[in-house]
Amino acid sequence: GAVVSQHPSWVICKSGTSVKIECRSLDFQATTMFWYRQFPKQSLMLMATSNEGSKATYEQGVEKDKFLINHASLTLSTLTVTSAHPEDSSFYICSARAGWATTNEKLFFGSGTQLSVL
Amino acid sequence: GENVEQHPSTLSVQEGDSAVIKCTYSDSASNYFPWYKQELGKGPQLIIDIRSNVGEKKDQRIAVTLNKTAKHFSLHITETQPEDSAVYFCAASIKDAGGTSYGKLTFGQGTILTVHP
Repeated sequence: GAVVSQHPSWVICKSGTSVKIECRSLDFQATTMFWYRQFPKQSLMLMATSNEGSKATYEQGVEKDKFLINHASLTLSTLTVTSAHPEDSSFYICSARAGWATTNEKLFFGSGTQLSVL
Repeated sequence: GENVEQHPSTLSVQEGDSAVIKCTYSDSASNYFPWYKQELGKGPQLIIDIRSNVGEKKDQRIAVTLNKTAKHFSLHITETQPEDSAVYFCAASIKDAGGTSYGKLTFGQGTILTVHP
């Protein structure tokens, strides 16, 4: 099946620093990638939709200047948490949609990144 | 927008028993309903999905049923095994104003399934 690789799997950083998380589709081209945030024992909360070659679309309440998303190629999207603070500590997950057809809605998820901001 | 309710929040069964998780959705335009299994510290894994033009789909011990009229769908796991223990999420497609979803999903709250040996 389709594989989505997400790195790093965990990261600890100091408050005020920036952290970059990568999401790669290994065996397919991902026209659209999604970024989610998940708090312990809670559901996935969609943060933004990333389309290759265009600006990301952010969900209401998500600060686009804090969570920078870049989708420069059909196999790579990055999420940069800028000037991280302890409240940004969370599990971040990406997913990728394969193909160009609007009827293709299958999503494949990365393994997630646990961010801890000290 | 779409709202997905999932029940129960926790489910405990004995090995070999069946487990059923139910979800309801609010947007009648949704037409794609996947189920994901998430193990601790990992990303969700797609286990089965169903489209609105189908009422039931089965894959070995896992099945999903969909009632479009009532706007609810269910996950059925038969002959449960300890390795089935995980958090399960249902989801429903979200469509934009033009009627296209592009893979955008609304997730249920999750069900913690525990299978006791």
